[in-house]
Amino acid sequence: TQLLEQSPQFLSIQEGENLTVYCNSSSVFSSLQWYRQEPGEGPVLLVTVVTGGEVKKLKRLTFQFGDARKDSSLHITAAQPGDTGLYLCAGKGGGADGLTFGKGTHLIIQP
Amino acid sequence: DAMVIQNPRYQVTQFGKPVTLSCSQTLNHNVMYWYQQKSSQAPKLLFHYYDKDFNNEADTPDNFQSRRPNTSFCFLDIRSPGLGDAAMYLCATSRESGTNTDTQYFGPGTRLTVL
Repeated sequence: TQLLEQSPQFLSIQEGENLTVYCNSSSVFSSLQWYRQEPGEGPVLLVTVVTGGEVKKLKRLTFQFGDARKDSSLHITAAQPGDTGLYLCAGKGGGADGLTFGKGTHLIIQP
Repeated sequence: DAMVIQNPRYQVTQFGKPVTLSCSQTLNHNVMYWYQQKSSQAPKLLFHYYDKDFNNEADTPDNFQSRRPNTSFCFLDIRSPGLGDAAMYLCATSRESGTNTDTQYFGPGTRLTVL
């Protein structure tokens, strides 16, 4: 069974600060996706990383896939209250058709 | 424009009373998935359809069934809901299931309450 561990589970910081969220596994994934989910809504895809060592940027968000494709990180620069939400990493691979999700990081950005 | 639509958004049922959740898509995608997400937990895949082929996850209880009458629609049937089945149920679609970069698009979810 493939497992994804996300840390931290909860994070509350002030507007303007930087933060990093981690997603780790002992399994290799063919790709890894990051989603943002707001209360009462479905997850919305932010990015997909496929190649080991790959770095992708989405405005103030920087995503990195580990060289061994077992881990990933999400770094947010100058966080804003609009960044508040549940951030989920999800891996695809091992022959599974669906996604294996981490438990998520609940992020609160205080003005 | 909504691409993955779930109805209803909120569903209340009684213990043991069958309930059906609906998902439709305008993307003409081959694959449709159903996930269960309990409070403060990660979404968990229940099953998926690749076209008309049904693929059940090994640990999905028999209480959960699914139907896909056509490309656009997929239903989740819970035959005898228990209190433990209260959760958000998420429908997702993707064009293909076998590629690394295939993106899954999620609907807004149906929150099921069991009384």
